[in-house]
Amino acid sequence: DAGVIQSPRHEVTEMGQEVTLRCKPISGHDYLFWYRQTMMRGLELLIYFNNNVPIDDSGMPEDRFSAKMPNASFSTLKIQPSEPRDSAVYFCAGGSSYNEQFFGPGTRLTVL
Amino acid sequence: GENVEQHPSTLSVQEGDSAVIKCTYSDSASNYFPWYKQELGKRPQLIIDIRSNVGEKKDQRIAVTLNKTAKHFSLHITETQPEDSAVYFCAVILTGGGNKLTFGTGTQLKVEL
Repeated sequence: DAGVIQSPRHEVTEMGQEVTLRCKPISGHDYLFWYRQTMMRGLELLIYFNNNVPIDDSGMPEDRFSAKMPNASFSTLKIQPSEPRDSAVYFCAGGSSYNEQFFGPGTRLTVL
Repeated sequence: GENVEQHPSTLSVQEGDSAVIKCTYSDSASNYFPWYKQELGKRPQLIIDIRSNVGEKKDQRIAVTLNKTAKHFSLHITETQPEDSAVYFCAVILTGGGNKLTFGTGTQLKVEL
């Protein structure tokens, strides 16, 4: 079991560019969560899915952020256009119930 | 929404001593309280959790206590070792009420030799 897989692990981009972060959850886990971590704001839940359906996206900061889960084995978080304040570590986490959350290694995003 | 406060923000102890980190929450209906450990540059990892129908849970050197009346829960680490050095986050989940997971602000624990 490889655990939650995220790609890329590091992303450096310029302001205004589109950024797509990817996540492959553990097989059998029907909950998937996207988090953002910064020094200033700590760990923030952005959105979560249950059985591929978005349940709560109230943590998504603004319309520039969108997330999809087209199937049980893949999810994306997209930022378009990106801004320097989006620089953070983005974690994907999964679980077979809401209480269990196994985090992926994270994607460190730097927007210049 | 739920509000979680975590104290202290930094904690330094001598190897072998105990460490205690405390979190308070605002929503009395919250019912699941996990603790995560995050080493530098790594992912948060669940180390112990407790549900609202239990007052205490222990796993080797780690224990968590919950006081529902006072709305606080604590992480206790005994016989601390250098590898316990990390950032520890408490979290609160209100299942059935939007399932919002709210994290505390974290405690940087340093175990000194």
